[in-house]
Amino acid sequence: GAVVSQHPSWVICKSGTSVKIECRSLDFQATTMFWYRQFPKQSLMLMATSNEGSKATYEQGVEKDKFLINHASLTLSTLTVTSAHPEDSSFYICSARTSGSHNEQFFGPGTRLTVL
Amino acid sequence: SQQGEEDPQALSIQEGENATMNCSYKTSINNLQWYRQNSGRGLVHLILIRSNEREKHSGRLRVTLDTSKKSSSLLITASRAADTASYFCAIWSTSYGKLTFGQGTILTVHP
Repeated sequence: GAVVSQHPSWVICKSGTSVKIECRSLDFQATTMFWYRQFPKQSLMLMATSNEGSKATYEQGVEKDKFLINHASLTLSTLTVTSAHPEDSSFYICSARTSGSHNEQFFGPGTRLTVL
Repeated sequence: SQQGEEDPQALSIQEGENATMNCSYKTSINNLQWYRQNSGRGLVHLILIRSNEREKHSGRLRVTLDTSKKSSSLLITASRAADTASYFCAIWSTSYGKLTFGQGTILTVHP
């Protein structure tokens, strides 16, 4: 299957700082990327959907000014958590899908964010 | 909500036993997928079943889909300690254009 990488795999930051997480599709072009958040012992909740070259579509309740998403190329999407607070501590997972496949999304390994 | 609901929330069995997890949903779907997640790790795609399929097998995994009841089940036969993980169903609907996950089942297989 296709490979999606995320960087960093974990990050610890101070409250008030911004953190950028990268998501890359390594061997395919991802026209659509998804960002999920997962709190401990809970399921994945979709935060936003981004299509290459256009603005991301955010799910209800997700602050677009706090979670900045950029999908500037067909292999890279970034999620920036601005002015992070302890409640933003979570596991962030990206997923990528090609234009030819409506059936399967390829998931990254996730990024563990801890805000002190 | 189109989110899938899974039961049981937690399942504890002995090695060698079978494990069955169920998923129910509310909307029409194009396909339903099952994923595994080890603690603190990413998702592993297990199996995809299309809306016009009723059963699918992959190794020790057997997935059924009943679109009339809007439900699916995942059966793991002859379980192993290494099967210990969280299992999620996820539904894909072209109408919504996104994959929506169920709450998951935490499976513990005791050696």
